[in-house]
Amino acid sequence: AAGVIQSPRHLIKEKRETATLKCYPIPRHDTVYWYQQGPGQDPQFLISFYEKMQSDKGSIPDRFSAQQFSDYHSELNMSSLELGDSALYFCASSLQTNEQYFGPGTRLTVT
Amino acid sequence: DQQVKQNSPSLSVQEGRISILNCDYTNSMFDYFLWYKKYPAEGPTFLISISSIKDKNEDGRFTVFLNKSAKHLSLHIVPSQPGDSAVYFCAASVTGTASKLTFGTGTRLQVTL
Repeated sequence: AAGVIQSPRHLIKEKRETATLKCYPIPRHDTVYWYQQGPGQDPQFLISFYEKMQSDKGSIPDRFSAQQFSDYHSELNMSSLELGDSALYFCASSLQTNEQYFGPGTRLTVT
Repeated sequence: DQQVKQNSPSLSVQEGRISILNCDYTNSMFDYFLWYKKYPAEGPTFLISISSIKDKNEDGRFTVFLNKSAKHLSLHIVPSQPGDSAVYFCAASVTGTASKLTFGTGTRLQVTL
């Protein structure tokens, strides 16, 4: 079965640079979520989209923005990167249920 | 404020025995609970879930029990297998459109031979 696809899998950026993470949900899933997992921490909710509209917002810095496109893929844009942004970023998708299916994650390292 | 807690950071169980992972929550608005399994460098994998209208849900070797009055849930794995060794996260949500998951801190399960 098709799963959630995230790209890139690994990304290294310098401080103050920008990064764009991409997420392709499971086909026909209408909801996308973004989570951030720091070292030794649990995943923290950032933002979600339902039918291409922002649905909920968590602890997402103002330097970050995201959107969901007409083909349902989503992009997380991160600007003015800081060392503390180094983390695993997970995308998840769902179809009208509470059960979210996660992608493999993008490991962002800011140096 | 950790609304979902897994008080045991690690658990070691012998192969073939039962593994019991526990989770407590504080937010009484949560009405749907999920367990995820996570290997290093991979995304969380959905295992099993339970709605607050039930007190038990079973799927193969995995059973989740929910005690709403105690705000406590547990995941039972029986029999435990070496491939079950991973970090297990409990998660909770409030049913609605695009409901976010609130995760616990995780329990690292090691199944020994």
